[in-house]
Amino acid sequence: DIQMTQSPSSLSASVGDSVTITCRASQNVYSYVNWYQVKPGKAPKLLIFGASTLQSGVPSRFRGRGSGTDFTLTISSLQFEDFAVYYCQQSYAVTPWTFGQGTMVDI
Amino acid sequence: QLQLQESGPGLVKPSETLSLTCTVSGGSISSANYYWGWIRQSPGKALEWIGNVYYSGSTNYNPSFQSRVTISLDTSKNQFSLKLISVTAADTARYYCARRNWQKVDYWGQGTLVTVSS
Repeated sequence: DIQMTQSPSSLSASVGDSVTITCRASQNVYSYVNWYQVKPGKAPKLLIFGASTLQSGVPSRFRGRGSGTDFTLTISSLQFEDFAVYYCQQSYAVTPWTFGQGTMVDI
Repeated sequence: QLQLQESGPGLVKPSETLSLTCTVSGGSISSANYYWGWIRQSPGKALEWIGNVYYSGSTNYNPSFQSRVTISLDTSKNQFSLKLISVTAADTARYYCARRNWQKVDYWGQGTLVTVSS
């Protein structure tokens, strides 16, 4: 299986800050990386697909970059509603798709 | 707006079968463009893709579950289901149903917590 290693596992930030989450794949996954936001009791939300394409309806303060094995998700000008857990996921190898361990962004 | 809603028992005994259903509204599971699948998150662990089913009925499963899992469609009810046999405490998790849109999961249910305990 392709391993996705996310860092940091958690970070503390304030409203207005810019934060960056890193995800490293254990092998080349080209641009087949997606990012999701998960909040307690809510359906997870797709933020970024194809490493850098913003899903429809997602604010432009979310930006994804990278290719190959190294990827980042940057949230600029953090808003209160952005405090959540973020996961990267590779979709290069269909069986199985794999996720990172998650990064909790809290105040 | 597409919505997915999981349903099923919240408590399953060890060695028994976990059965969950996902009801889809706002769209048809018979569409040729999408796969319908299940993802889970055990306490303190990463999200884990279980598998998915295509409108034709063909399936892809995570090898970690291959021998225990069945995902199937009920197009008459616009639902799809998950069956996981011989469960243990390690199968305690929040289970999400989701729509796979080619290389991404673009819609998720809110998830349902299933505890395996006697």
